[in-house]
Amino acid sequence: DAGVIQSPRHEVTEMGQEVTLRCKPISGHDYLFWYRQTMMRGLELLIYFNNNVPIDDSGMPEDRFSAKMPNASFSTLKIQPSEPRDSAVYFCASGKDRNYGYTFGSGTRLTVV
Amino acid sequence: DQQVKQNSPSLSVQEGRISILNCDYTNSMFDYFLWYKKYPAEGPTFLISISSIKDKNEDGRFTVFLNKSAKHLSLHIVPSQPGDSAVYFCAASGFTSGTYKYIFGTGTRLKVLA
Repeated sequence: DAGVIQSPRHEVTEMGQEVTLRCKPISGHDYLFWYRQTMMRGLELLIYFNNNVPIDDSGMPEDRFSAKMPNASFSTLKIQPSEPRDSAVYFCASGKDRNYGYTFGSGTRLTVV
Repeated sequence: DQQVKQNSPSLSVQEGRISILNCDYTNSMFDYFLWYKKYPAEGPTFLISISSIKDKNEDGRFTVFLNKSAKHLSLHIVPSQPGDSAVYFCAASGFTSGTYKYIFGTGTRLKVLA
């Protein structure tokens, strides 16, 4: 089991550009979560999916952020246009049950200059 | 509004002694609590959890205690080892505002001194 796979590991982009982060969850996990980690706010839940359906996106900061899960093995988080304040580490996690400890990917460190 | 709070940003403990990490929450609808450990440049790793119907859960050197009346939980690590040095996050989940919420605290950095 390769675990939760995120790509890219690092992304540096210019303000105004579109950024797409990718996640492959663990096979058989019905829940997928996107988190953002910053020094000021810690780990914030952005959105989570159950069986590919978005359940709670109240943590998505603005309309510039969007997430999709077209199938059980792939999800994307897109920021368009990106801004310097979006710089953070973005984590994807997956789990079998909403209350079971879930598995995080290694994260994507995004820097917007 | 920080619904899950870890008021100690850092903690240093001597190897072999007990480490106690604390977490407070405000929402009485939370019914499941988890602790994660995070090393630099890695994603958090699930450590231990507890349901609100219990007040204690133990797994090897790790024990989580839940005091529902005080809305407080703690993670005890005994004996502490240098490899336990990491950032520890507590998390809470429950049905609130029409959906299940998963809220993390801001983390406590534990340093175990050899």
